[in-house]
Amino acid sequence: ETGVTQTPRHLVMGMTNKKSLKCEQHLGHNAMYWYKQSAKKPLELMFVYSLEERVENNSVPSRFSPECPNSSHLFLHLHTLQPEDSALYLCASSQDIWGTQYFGPGTRLTVL
Amino acid sequence: DQQVKQNSPSLSVQEGRISILNCDYTNSMFDYFLWYKKYPAEGPTFLISISSIKDKNEDGRFTVFLNKSAKHLSLHIVPSQPGDSAVYFCAASGGGNTPLVFGKGTRLSVIA
Repeated sequence: ETGVTQTPRHLVMGMTNKKSLKCEQHLGHNAMYWYKQSAKKPLELMFVYSLEERVENNSVPSRFSPECPNSSHLFLHLHTLQPEDSALYLCASSQDIWGTQYFGPGTRLTVL
Repeated sequence: DQQVKQNSPSLSVQEGRISILNCDYTNSMFDYFLWYKKYPAEGPTFLISISSIKDKNEDGRFTVFLNKSAKHLSLHIVPSQPGDSAVYFCAASGGGNTPLVFGKGTRLSVIA
């Protein structure tokens, strides 16, 4: 595998479910990100990790919980989501926080 | 406060002609600028970048121009092809511990 991978690619969940999104980067980068993109809306930065430490949390509801166990892996744990949370969730990585970000293919999440 | 602005939400161009996408920024500390291309339901793909020490960078059909005094950059695509139809995001970085700041995107449609 090369670049940034995300699993699953598609996820449908009920409002009472708990699920997790996984991101893995094979680029040796030090920073990783979660973004949300709703239909016809701009990219919304959710979380930033640098060297496994969270450095930014942009007022994201607590029903989204990130985890970065090492510099190659990033998770987004989801619980009691709302239908308005349905969106494309994108993971990205970069060598340094300020540098070029490389994105994964995204997870299309639908909350019923 | 939007630090990176893409004031045209959409642009239509005929195949073979030049596409010009514009981006303005307000933060004078930005010194590194990027363009990304995004197809529906996929992650953005890095296209081209430019550092503030240059005013032009070219890669095949894609050229980015930077006007620091006007705090303006543009992406030129020539000749435009139907496969260029996508949403284009401008992004900027000021270094340090600040991640990229993205514009809202411009949807380019290249008409055959």
